Amino acid sequence: GENVEQHPSTLSVQEGDSAVIKCTYSDSASNYFPWYKQELGKRPQLIIDIRSNVGEKKDQRIAVTLNKTAKHFSLHITETQPEDSAVYFCAASIDNTDKLIFGTGTRLQVFP
Amino acid sequence: DVKVTQSSRYLVKRTGEKVFLECVQDMDHENMFWYRQDPGLGLRLIYFSYDVKMKEKGDIPEGYSVSREKKERFSLILESASTNQTSMYLCASSLTGDIQPQHFGDGTRLSIL
Repeated sequence: GENVEQHPSTLSVQEGDSAVIKCTYSDSASNYFPWYKQELGKRPQLIIDIRSNVGEKKDQRIAVTLNKTAKHFSLHITETQPEDSAVYFCAASIDNTDKLIFGTGTRLQVFP
Repeated sequence: DVKVTQSSRYLVKRTGEKVFLECVQDMDHENMFWYRQDPGLGLRLIYFSYDVKMKEKGDIPEGYSVSREKKERFSLILESASTNQTSMYLCASSLTGDIQPQHFGDGTRLSIL
């Protein structure tokens, strides 16, 4: 079946450093790639998304890049802050439907 | 702002019980989803509904059923709860057409004893 692999599973950085989380997907028909942030005890919240007709998208300190040929996409967080500490999930659309398949998550810890 | 409300934050049930988890959204979204979240496994799709009375199995539908009698409400049913269904359950909704972001509820932490 289709799947999304996400790495690393945990990531620790110093405040002010950059963090990068990578995902690969298997469905060639995937055309939508959202990233969700889930703080402890809270709901997953969309932080940025990208569609297959775009290679890169930025929103302040957050950026996402997509390489359709290699079937991978990455989340980049610059100038990390302690409030960036959370679990981050990548996802990819599947079967040309509204369904998503999620990665297994990355626990990001930003130390002051 | 989209609001997806799950009826309970915490629920404790016994094995063999029939369990209902309720989800309501207030944005007239066509699509609604039920996920299960377990440590190290991410979010796994149990069932998906794209319209009233319409449903589609996700990746892990065994032991679950769903009901969508009204557009705003999507129910997940555990026909006969078992201990391996102890988990966090998340509901989400989205608009249809040119795939749109999914909006999540706060989740229900279900314990089956």
